[in-house]
Amino acid sequence: QVQLVQAGAEVRKPGASVKVSCKASGYTFTGYYLHWLRQAPGQGLEWMGWINPNSGGTHSSQKFQGRVTMTGDPSISTAYMEMKRLTSDDTAVYFCARTPESGYPYYFEYWGQGTLVTVSS
Amino acid sequence: EIVLTQSPGTLSLSPGERATLSCRASHLISRDFLAWYQRKPGQAPRLLIFGASNRATGIPDRFSGSGSGTDFTLTISRLEPEDFALYFCQQYGNPPLTFGGGTKVEIK
Repeated sequence: QVQLVQAGAEVRKPGASVKVSCKASGYTFTGYYLHWLRQAPGQGLEWMGWINPNSGGTHSSQKFQGRVTMTGDPSISTAYMEMKRLTSDDTAVYFCARTPESGYPYYFEYWGQGTLVTVSS
Repeated sequence: EIVLTQSPGTLSLSPGERATLSCRASHLISRDFLAWYQRKPGQAPRLLIFGASNRATGIPDRFSGSGSGTDFTLTISRLEPEDFALYFCQQYGNPPLTFGGGTKVEIK
């Protein structure tokens, strides 16, 4: 069965970077885009962008362009989301998620369990 | 971007009762591309409904979605103990993808 496994929690200081991982199993990693989303405390979910693990191509929300890098390593079926210049506003649970079919439309049947990133001095 | 407003913020009901949750969009959602999810503390979101009214695989038929355009509804016909959770909607018809703030269904 499809599984997306994320590492636990991360704590960073303001101005630092964080790299969140998402290990996929149960399907062909290069066959489906992986999306990244986050949920800050008391807020709704926010879509950040996607990566095409087959080509390495990415597309991110305008809000995160220039600060977020999404990569993938097909050899270990793992995707990564790196965020730079963290502020306290980036404190959130970060999720990876996959659509039921390859490509559009982008609703999500499979989710990682989330990685809590806390940004605090 | 499309803003999704969910109401009520909290719904206090008893097991066996009917729950009606609303998701209203600031603009027309293309092709009624709206999904509903359930989330419990410490768990990943669970897809319930896609395309406004299509149940996802394995979702019990007490969950149903309806609506079109800008007004959508998730109905839980008879609440089971495991249904008390947070529910949120997502539109995927108009980039960027956006989500509602959620409705918490709590035990009365």
